[in-house]
Amino acid sequence: SAVISQKPSRDICQRGTSLTIQCQVDSQVTMMFWYRQQPGQSLTLIATANQGSEATYESGFVIDKFPISRPNLTFSTLTVSNMSPEDSSIYLCSVEDYWSGRFNEQFFGPGTRLTVL
Amino acid sequence: QQQVKQSPQSLIVQKGGISIINCAYENTAFDYFPWYQQFPGKGPALLIAIRPDVSEKKEGRFTISFNKSAKQFSLHIMDSQPGDSATYFCAASKTGANNLFFGTGTRLTVIP
Repeated sequence: SAVISQKPSRDICQRGTSLTIQCQVDSQVTMMFWYRQQPGQSLTLIATANQGSEATYESGFVIDKFPISRPNLTFSTLTVSNMSPEDSSIYLCSVEDYWSGRFNEQFFGPGTRLTVL
Repeated sequence: QQQVKQSPQSLIVQKGGISIINCAYENTAFDYFPWYQQFPGKGPALLIAIRPDVSEKKEGRFTISFNKSAKQFSLHIMDSQPGDSATYFCAASKTGANNLFFGTGTRLTVIP
């Protein structure tokens, strides 16, 4: 499976600021996703990062709060904007590679642990 | 609304015992059911997955049992080891859709 890295691994931020999280994959993949995992909770999909077009957001998540870029087939960023303590979570990127024929299989990065004070 | 319900929330098993985690879903369009294992400070790792054309899938000590009519599936960990201590998530999705719907997680502790 693809090797996925995220930067930063963790950060502590002040409310009202923004943080950009990077996700890098060691091979080209068709689909990249961003999830949020609140402390001790399950994972919730934020959006699908589409290469060459705008991201597709799930209900409850908006582009102004979570702008996403996907400039190529191996890289994506998620920005958490105008942060509040409620944004304290682990943010995870995942990938799915249709080209491999392994439909639906998603592989996750190590996550970025964000604390907002 | 929780698309996938998971139980128990936590589980303590003796080394060598069988760990069983259960999940139930409502959407009959789901056709892919993975289990993920997550250690503290790490991202979830795909452990094993099943599609509804089979009722059971086994990989090493890990087995998924699937009951399509009951809309339930479960993970069995045979000969549980302390190294299996982690949080396990079930999930479900349908082919062509991006969203993996996750259960709420089960924290498994295997005591020596």
